[in-house]
Amino acid sequence: AQSVTQLGSHVSVSEGALVLLRCNYSSSVPPYLFWYVQYPNQGLQLLLKYTSAATLVKGINGFEAEFKKSETSFHLTKPSAHMSDAAEYFCAVGGRPGGTSYGKLTFGQGTILTVHP
Amino acid sequence: GAGVSQSPSNKVTEKGKDVELRCDPISGHTALYWYRQSLGQGLEFLIYFQGNSAPDKSGLPSDRFSAERTGGSVSTLTIQRTQQEDSAVYLCASSLGTGPNTEAFFGQGTRLTVV
Repeated sequence: AQSVTQLGSHVSVSEGALVLLRCNYSSSVPPYLFWYVQYPNQGLQLLLKYTSAATLVKGINGFEAEFKKSETSFHLTKPSAHMSDAAEYFCAVGGRPGGTSYGKLTFGQGTILTVHP
Repeated sequence: GAGVSQSPSNKVTEKGKDVELRCDPISGHTALYWYRQSLGQGLEFLIYFQGNSAPDKSGLPSDRFSAERTGGSVSTLTIQRTQQEDSAVYLCASSLGTGPNTEAFFGQGTRLTVV
């Protein structure tokens, strides 16, 4: 079975500082990986996704994530935080064809990012 | 429609009553997902449809929960004899299918409050 662990339910950074949100996955085969963002009182929207092309994936709003198979990680980063980045971020894993989790998205518990002036 | 539409947006119900939550996916999306988001609990997978069939119902919390999808489009999540622990935001998402195009588009959710 596939699973996702997000380390840190809350992360707080200063405006302009590096943002690092951690995600580790467990899957029997290399999965598809996603980061979603949920702004206050809004629905979830896709930030970026990894589907086995480049291991460094760039998304919207200056975010990027790197797939590291050896570490089973897909951490989300942004070089310089902006106040508007304050939101809850979810890492998700999707199963590949042939796997028991094919077609199913499994989400982590979420990390709330706070950006202070 | 342009996006995933869920109704109602808010629902307050008395304990023991049945409720139906509706999801209209993006036209042409064959996969449809239901998740539950509780405070501090993240997103809990409930059920997934591919077309009208549900390959994975493993997330339904109890036999009080059921879901169906008709015509490969609209889905209804039904909760019978609601309990206070059912209070949560119920999210629906749809996607073109599985594989690399598995990006899921989410609706705004239905906030269910059981009193």
